[in-house]
Amino acid sequence: QSALTQPASVSGSPGQSITISCTGTSSDIRVYNYVSWYQQHPGKAPKLMIYEVNNRPSGVPDRFSGSKSGNTASLTISGLQAEDEADYYCSSYSSSSILVFGGGTKLTVL
Amino acid sequence: QVQLQESGPGLVKPSQTLSLTCTVSGGSINSGDYYWSWIRQHPGKGLEWIGYIYSSGTTYYNPSLKSRVTISVDTSKNQFSLNLNSVTAADTAMYYCARDLSPMVWNHWGQGTLVTVSS
Repeated sequence: QSALTQPASVSGSPGQSITISCTGTSSDIRVYNYVSWYQQHPGKAPKLMIYEVNNRPSGVPDRFSGSKSGNTASLTISGLQAEDEADYYCSSYSSSSILVFGGGTKLTVL
Repeated sequence: QVQLQESGPGLVKPSQTLSLTCTVSGGSINSGDYYWSWIRQHPGKGLEWIGYIYSSGTTYYNPSLKSRVTISVDTSKNQFSLNLNSVTAADTAMYYCARDLSPMVWNHWGQGTLVTVSS
């Protein structure tokens, strides 16, 4: 069982917006602004999409955005494209385990 | 552009030690303030941070694995390594090495290497 809770799956049609949630506790997401999001295509290594809640590394489209409220962080993808279909993982600093991950969310582009 | 490549046995027997090496190219492993990490992914499951070695040589491990993990660096070979002892089938996973963008945020990953623990 992962420390952070994500929905197992989400889906959306091309051009739509989707949001993936990542729920933690008062020991991680609530107290640290160190939430990251990774995208992983099948058979590939994860790719950093968002760090420190809402920062994008260079090269990541601005269709990807992050936010946080209380114990929950969110990744929003606007203008959904076929290539966005992948697994997405959140991570957060944790006072107990240094770094914890979510269990992952499978995004399907219909 | 820094690149990382994992190497090591794909099959390890139970109770033995899993040993992997990450070779870094495109930059020196002891230049800059970077955390060099190992992360694993059990088949069909999520990610698990194993530990890191800082450019100064300081190490830090996931408390859940700390008693079995050692991460070391060989600057002469531009490599860092993972040793995980007393392995069981639960250690079967894809193992990734990675370098951070900022502490515990990884923007450079190796392609991963699958390690199976089985007799």
